[in-house]
Amino acid sequence: SYELTQPPSVSVSPGQTASITCSGDKLGEKYGCWYQQKPGQSPVLVIYQDNKRPSGIPERFSGSNSGNTATLTISGTQAVDEADYYCQAWDRSTGVFGGGTRLTVL
Amino acid sequence: QVQLVQSGAEVKEPGASVKVSCKASEYPFSSFAIHWVRQAPGQRLEWMGWINAGNGNTKYSQKFQGRIAITRDTSADTAYLDLTSLNSEDTAVYYCARSPFDLRWLDPWGHGTLVTVSS
Repeated sequence: SYELTQPPSVSVSPGQTASITCSGDKLGEKYGCWYQQKPGQSPVLVIYQDNKRPSGIPERFSGSNSGNTATLTISGTQAVDEADYYCQAWDRSTGVFGGGTRLTVL
Repeated sequence: QVQLVQSGAEVKEPGASVKVSCKASEYPFSSFAIHWVRQAPGQRLEWMGWINAGNGNTKYSQKFQGRIAITRDTSADTAYLDLTSLNSEDTAVYYCARSPFDLRWLDPWGHGTLVTVSS
C-alpha cells in the first residue's frame, strides 16, 4: 500500500521560515494536500492541489510538490501556527495520510 | 457557511457495531462526496472510505473491508458510517469531511465523534 513519510517534529523561531516535508513514491505525480490540526480540534485544510491556498488561509502558507517530495512552507512563522501538520494524497481513489509533523514555535 | 454536524459520543462493548451520522448544511449535498477519517488517541489521521453523495458509490480502505459501510440519505442531507465487530483498537475520534468528486481537497471537516470501545 502507498505510504507517506513526514518528520515527527520541526522547530522554528518566531518570524523564521518553517519547512515540513512529505515523502512518497512518485508523489509529484499526485496532487497533495496539507492539513493543520491544533489540540482538541478538527483538521483544517491549508494547502490543496500542491500549492493552492483555500480562502481564509494566510499568505505565509505555501506548498510545492516535485519528484518524491511535497513541502509545506510557512514564512514568518507565528506562535498561532504551532500545531500538527498532515500531508495527504490519493492513490487510486484511496486516501493516504502522512504520520504528521508537530511544529513547535520556540 | 458550509457545515458538517456529527452525532454524539458513543460507548460500545467489544463485538458491537456503531453508526455515526454526519449532517451537511449550506451546500448541495448530492454534488459532493463525504469521507470518513478516524484518529486514535495520540495517533495519525487514518482514512476509512468515501461515498459519492450523488450516486451512492463507495470506496473503502482495504483495512476495513468487510466491516464498514458508508451510506447516505439525500432527503436528510446526511451521511452515515457503520462499523461492525468493534474492538479496543477502534477507540478513536471519527471525522467526516466533504470533498469534490475529483478528490482535490477535504473541507470542511466535522467536529468529530468519539467512539470508545470498552467492556
